[in-house]
Amino acid sequence: EVKLQQSGDELVRPGASVKMSCKASGYTFTDYAMHWVKQSPGQGLEWIGTIIPLIDTTSYNQKFKGKATLTADKSSNTAYMELSRLTSEDSAVYYCARESRGVMDAWGQGASVTVSS
Amino acid sequence: DIVLTQSPATLSVTPGESVSLSCRASQGISTSIHWYQQKSNESPRLLIKYASQSISGIPSRFSGSGSGTDFTLSINRVESEDFSVYYCQQSYSLPLTFGSGTKLEIK
Repeated sequence: EVKLQQSGDELVRPGASVKMSCKASGYTFTDYAMHWVKQSPGQGLEWIGTIIPLIDTTSYNQKFKGKATLTADKSSNTAYMELSRLTSEDSAVYYCARESRGVMDAWGQGASVTVSS
Repeated sequence: DIVLTQSPATLSVTPGESVSLSCRASQGISTSIHWYQQKSNESPRLLIKYASQSISGIPSRFSGSGSGTDFTLSINRVESEDFSVYYCQQSYSLPLTFGSGTKLEIK
């Protein structure tokens, strides 16, 4: 069974950074790209970027360049996303999602980030 | 960026009715459109890929059609578990984009 287990919810101060994880199981981690998607409260879905773990190549939505940094650890089958210089606009639920032939076919459970002082 | 416009924003139906949800792309994207269902407080779930290809484990009452700029997700005889939000997403070009969603609610 394919499973993406995300790290827990975070409460962070404005201006700080947060790094969240997405641990993959049930498939060969390096065979698939991993996407990250933002969902602001009561809003729709927004693509942040993707990483290809096999070759450590990333692509970002221009909107999130400088905000999000995607990495992957092949030894632990885990993808990471770090968000920097957090503001209230970054308060959202963040999902990781596996890509299979252009389609996000498996999703993590989501991780909530709340930016508040 | 490719803009996906979903309509209607909200659709109120009675269980047992059949419905069609629309997704229109701002430029031609062949059949590179995918549909997801998101229930309240859950992660999105893939329903249909490449406009009309079925997904293992998804009930056969869900089907998709279209190509170019106009796409449709159809639900034949809506069941109570189908009341949720539906999103379309294009993989034709980066950045990947999603529609704003259609909320299917009980009338």
